[in-house]
Amino acid sequence: QVQLVESGGGLVKPGGSLRLSCAASGFTFSDYYMSWIRQAPGKGLEWVSYISSSSSYTNYADSVKGRFTISRDNARNSLYLQMNSLRAEDTAVYYCVRRKLGSGSYYISWGQGTLVTVSS
Amino acid sequence: EIVLTQSPATLSLSPGERATLSCRASQSVSSYLAWYQHRPGQAPRLLIYDASNRATGIPARFSGSGSGTDFTLTISSLEPEDFAVYYCQQRSNWPPTFGPGTKVDIK
Repeated sequence: QVQLVESGGGLVKPGGSLRLSCAASGFTFSDYYMSWIRQAPGKGLEWVSYISSSSSYTNYADSVKGRFTISRDNARNSLYLQMNSLRAEDTAVYYCVRRKLGSGSYYISWGQGTLVTVSS
Repeated sequence: EIVLTQSPATLSLSPGERATLSCRASQSVSSYLAWYQHRPGQAPRLLIYDASNRATGIPARFSGSGSGTDFTLTISSLEPEDFAVYYCQQRSNWPPTFGPGTKVDIK
């Protein structure tokens, strides 16, 4: 069965950095585009970034462009999100998400999420 | 960026009742709209994609309809596990965006 397990969240000061990881299992990781989606406390869902199956393509929300970097290691079935210059407004639960094959940006599998808190 | 609005914000119903949730887009998204269910403490789950197609394993009591700017998610008869927050999401224009959600709670 498909599993996506995020880790790496925590409390960080404004301007600090954090690296999120996502361990994937139960499917052929290298076949799928992957994304990060976040949810700030009391707010809705916000798409953050995606990476293509072979890492050829990446894209970012304007709110994180230049500060966040998505990457993957297909040999380790792992997805990452390097977050630099963190701001209070980056406080959110971050979900590792598998995109539906052949259908564009629909999200077929989600992890449980990892909480990132940016506060002094 | 396409803005999605959902109504009502909260829907209070009893098990066995029919739930009708609405999602409106700020401009046409054709049929490129999905619905997700999010139960507290669980991962969100894709229910419907391309406005009316049920995702794998989704019960038939969930159905979606609409095109253009107006969409509806219908739950024909609420089961106890259906009380959750429901989000719509469009993929017609970049970036993909989500609505603010409709909470279906127990009356």
